[in-house]
Amino acid sequence: KAGVTQTPRYLIKTRGQQVTLSCSPISGHRSVSWYQQTPGQGLQFLFEYFSETQRNKGNFPGRFSGRQFSNSRSEMNVSTLELGDSALYLCASSLANVNSYSSTDTQYFGPGTRLTVL
Amino acid sequence: AQSVAQPEDQVNVAEGNPLTVKCTYSVSGNPYLFWYVQYPNRGLQFLLKYITGDNLVKGSYGFEAEFNKSQTSFHLKKPSALVSDSALYFCAVRAAAAGNKLTFGGGTRVLVKP
Repeated sequence: KAGVTQTPRYLIKTRGQQVTLSCSPISGHRSVSWYQQTPGQGLQFLFEYFSETQRNKGNFPGRFSGRQFSNSRSEMNVSTLELGDSALYLCASSLANVNSYSSTDTQYFGPGTRLTVL
Repeated sequence: AQSVAQPEDQVNVAEGNPLTVKCTYSVSGNPYLFWYVQYPNRGLQFLLKYITGDNLVKGSYGFEAEFNKSQTSFHLKKPSALVSDSALYFCAVRAAAAGNKLTFGGGTRVLVKP
């Protein structure tokens, strides 16, 4: 099976712009999570989607948003970019079952999108 | 709130020697614990997880981890380190009581010298 794919891999934006990142989960996986990785803050949870519904949200401002489509693909959007948004954005997918996801599910990560805000 | 601590920013070990990366956690309820490894410019790769049962969990690439409930620890170990094990290692915890969010430790950089 193909792994989690993320596009684009690299992105350069300027302050005030907005950006949309895309994630395609492993085939058959129904849950998608997003994380921000920075040298100073480490890995921080952004949000998690299952069956097109946001199930969990981290402590990020409303400028960060996401969605999941019926084919489980997910996008995250950051509006009004700030310098501090420069980071590696990681997407992870997990299997989940028909009715719910579980804390025991393993999350498999994509290679990430490196966002640089100038 | 749940949290994970990796007390060592970096671990240096000679090739062929045992490798240990420490992890302690704090969570309400039953913890589900994970180890991931990250190579430069790559995403995280899953190594192993503890859900329940045997406290010693075996994973990929010869790694294993021991769950210790009384010490709230989940240390990662490898009997004989390879130069190719040099990477950034993350411990993570997830629990239903904390809303199923996956919380990561700060990471430990492992440097295996030939």
